This record gives sequence, structure tokens and C-alpha cells, in this order.
Amino acid sequence: NAGVTQTPKFQVLKTGQSMTLQCAQDMNHNSMYWYRQDPGMGLRLIYYSASEGTTDKGEVPNGYNVSRLNKREFSLRLESAAPSQTSVYFCASSEDSLLREQYFGPGTRLTVT
Amino acid sequence: AQSVTQLDSQVPVFEEAPVELRCNYSSSVSVYLFWYVQYPNQGLQLLLKYLSGSTLVKGINGFEAEFNKSQTSFHLRKPSVHISDTAEYFCAVRGSYGQNFVFGPGTRLSVLP
Repeated sequence: NAGVTQTPKFQVLKTGQSMTLQCAQDMNHNSMYWYRQDPGMGLRLIYYSASEGTTDKGEVPNGYNVSRLNKREFSLRLESAAPSQTSVYFCASSEDSLLREQYFGPGTRLTVT
Repeated sequence: AQSVTQLDSQVPVFEEAPVELRCNYSSSVSVYLFWYVQYPNQGLQLLLKYLSGSTLVKGINGFEAEFNKSQTSFHLRKPSVHISDTAEYFCAVRGSYGQNFVFGPGTRLSVLP
């Protein structure tokens, strides 16, 4: 049971380049999330998917797109990277129930120069 | 909407001393409360959660937290810390009507020998 996996672990991009961050979970969870973590700001929700086939904006969606490929996979795409998107990105998943916590992946450290 | 405040950005403490990490929240609806820990270069792990019932909640690694509805607080405590407790700790709140998680900015606990 791998839990939540993310690829890549590290990435350096130049301004204007694009990339996709991959996330997969093997816990049969319905809900998946993308967060970014910046110093002193905690985690901020970028996008989430309450169930397969649905996606919704979170607190900071500008500059990002997501795809819920199937129940297991939820990808985050940066179409034209900007230095302000330098951050650590975490994917998480949870069961439907409101009582359930989120399980986090190990993170992707992205630097945009 | 919910919000979370963690008043202390950094807490240094000597090994075997007690520690309290403070968390206050605001919400117009009932909430569920969580504490997560993040060890260096890792994702977040759940320490404990309050859903209902007893206001004193026990978690992993000897941590406990007390929910105080009148003070809208959910402080985390440990009677005797170890070097291995050095990490960043995040308080999180989720509204009882299905709202997404809101994380506090985090408290960095440094345990000194």
C-alpha cells in the first residue's frame, strides 16, 4: 500500500515553461486535493476533486489547471510557469465522509527561475 | 468560512520539557479539528482529530489536544518532548457541512538537547 504518490520530487522550470505534476492514490478514495505550501502561509488549496469527473477551484487556482484522470489519479498543470509559482506542492486524498482526515503525498518542490 | 490562527510561528523547548502549541479558529458552523505534523522534507501526517464527544483527544506519539468551544481553541500538548518531535505542526479545521480543510500557518517546534 503506497498511499499517495507524487512525481516528480523536484523540478526546476524557466519562466514560461509548462509542466504537469502527477498524483496517484491506492486507497480507493473519492476526493483528491492539490495544495501549495509557502513559508509562513501554511497550506493553501489550489483545486480539489470531490469525486471522479468533478473538479472545483480552491483558494488559489489562478495559473493552474487540473485533470481527474480516473479515481486514482489527479494531475496539476502549470501552462506558463511564473516565479510566483515557486513552492512545494502537495497532493492529498480522503474518503467521502466529513469525519475522515486527508492523507498526503511526499510533495514536489518546484522552482521557477 | 473558517479560519485558523497559530499564534506561535516558532517554539524552542528543551528535551523532556512540556510543550503547548496554540491553535484558535473561527467558524460560523460546527467544526471538526485536526492536528498534522510535518517532518523535514516529508508530507503531512495526522496526529489527532476532534470530531465529537470528549473534548480531550489523544493522538500518536504521546500528543493530546483539548477542544474548548467557548474559547474556540484546540491547543496541542505533550508532557515531555523528545528530539524526534522536532517538526512543523499544523492545525486544521473543517466545517461540518462539507467545507474543505483550512490549515493554519504552522508552528515550528525545535527540541533542544
